[in-house]
Amino acid sequence: DVKVTQSSRYLVKRTGEKVFLECVQDMDHENMFWYRQDPGLGLRLIYFSYDVKMKEKGDIPEGYSVSREKKERFSLILESASTNQTSMYLCASSFLLGSSLHTGELFFGEGSRLTVL
Amino acid sequence: AQSVAQPEDQVNVAEGNPLTVKCTYSVSGNPYLFWYVQYPNRGLQFLLKYITGDNLVKGSYGFEAEFNKSQTSFHLKKPSALVSDSALYFCAHPYGQNFVFGPGTRLSVLP
Repeated sequence: DVKVTQSSRYLVKRTGEKVFLECVQDMDHENMFWYRQDPGLGLRLIYFSYDVKMKEKGDIPEGYSVSREKKERFSLILESASTNQTSMYLCASSFLLGSSLHTGELFFGEGSRLTVL
Repeated sequence: AQSVAQPEDQVNVAEGNPLTVKCTYSVSGNPYLFWYVQYPNRGLQFLLKYITGDNLVKGSYGFEAEFNKSQTSFHLKKPSALVSDSALYFCAHPYGQNFVFGPGTRLSVLP
């Protein structure tokens, strides 16, 4: 089975702290994604990456950065956390569209619930 | 613009009754459509998808969905609801390498 593992299920940070959220997948997927989930707003894409060292901004990239140094790992960084970044963060991965292995599905991690005080 | 809509924030149904969670779409090109489910404090899980072919798609946990091109809908259905089906359900459409998600519908199955 595909496994997408997020490093922390629950985090509590203070305003201004630097926050790292890490995600690792074990299926050799090219694509990796970071979403933010808030009640009533559904899932909003922060950043995605289709290859090592490649990144694309999503719908709400402000206040976030990402790093993809290895194919299996995609990190989300909050340089200076703010209270409005309190949310559930979901990592996902998939094969590259056009790949013979692409089934169209996204595979999600369990989520990281971040609270910024 | 590509979009999917879920007109109901909340659906309540009694255990054993049939359930329907609604999704409508507005997409150009091929209307590939997906349903995902999210159980409390978990990530999303794939339920089923429509790509081409039969308009009735069967998926995991006894769920099915009917693609209706004339009504631009892709409603999720189950003949007999279980309390364990209580969760948040998302309709989604792949767009480029990404997905467009609906806002989600919370399903509550009452014992």
